[in-house]
Amino acid sequence: EAQVTQNPRYLITVTGKKLTVTCSQNMNHEYMSWYRQDPGLGLRQIYYSMNVEVTDKGDVPEGYKVSRKEKRNFPLILESPSPNQTSLYFCASSAADRRNGYTFGSGTRLTVV
Amino acid sequence: RKEVEQDPGPFNVPEGATVAFNCTYSNSASQSFFWYRQDCRKEPKLLMSVYSSGNEDGRFTAQLNRASQYISLLIRDSKLSDSATYLCVKGYGGSQGNLIFGKGTKLSVKP
Repeated sequence: EAQVTQNPRYLITVTGKKLTVTCSQNMNHEYMSWYRQDPGLGLRQIYYSMNVEVTDKGDVPEGYKVSRKEKRNFPLILESPSPNQTSLYFCASSAADRRNGYTFGSGTRLTVV
Repeated sequence: RKEVEQDPGPFNVPEGATVAFNCTYSNSASQSFFWYRQDCRKEPKLLMSVYSSGNEDGRFTAQLNRASQYISLLIRDSKLSDSATYLCVKGYGGSQGNLIFGKGTKLSVKP
């Protein structure tokens, strides 16, 4: 089944403790992207990648890092999480022509206390 | 600031009604547009890509008006299962890889 898989689905952590949210897609997509969704603010793009070793900042990159060493994986790293990073995170992927838009993972609900 | 604006609703309509959503965008360089639907606490799912000539998929019709910088979504013969939040999305930036989402329009279809 074609899908984007994020892990974990739920995570509660403490301020300052480094964490990684993994994202993997099995569709050989070139584009991958991370979003966060907050009430009243909608979906905002954190980082995106157009291919292996090619990444760029979205609208809200502060406090996040990404890497794209392999085509299928695009992990999101929070080096020192803070409570304002409590949010619902989505990973998404798309073929280069984007005719079928982005396919989203099921989301990761992160709480930083 | 590149933005996408939508009426947040909610739109409360009876089954069988026709409902239309509009969305305006602020960057005329944007080339790609989409409508997504999102159910409560779930991931967004692509409903339709929007092309310059407009396109239709069953009960759904999307239109793009570049001169006025808006896109629209028309849903005919609404079903209970159409209840969701509808997100207007535009692509911009390097090869249109960056996406900007509207905050969504909530639709509730009642029996």
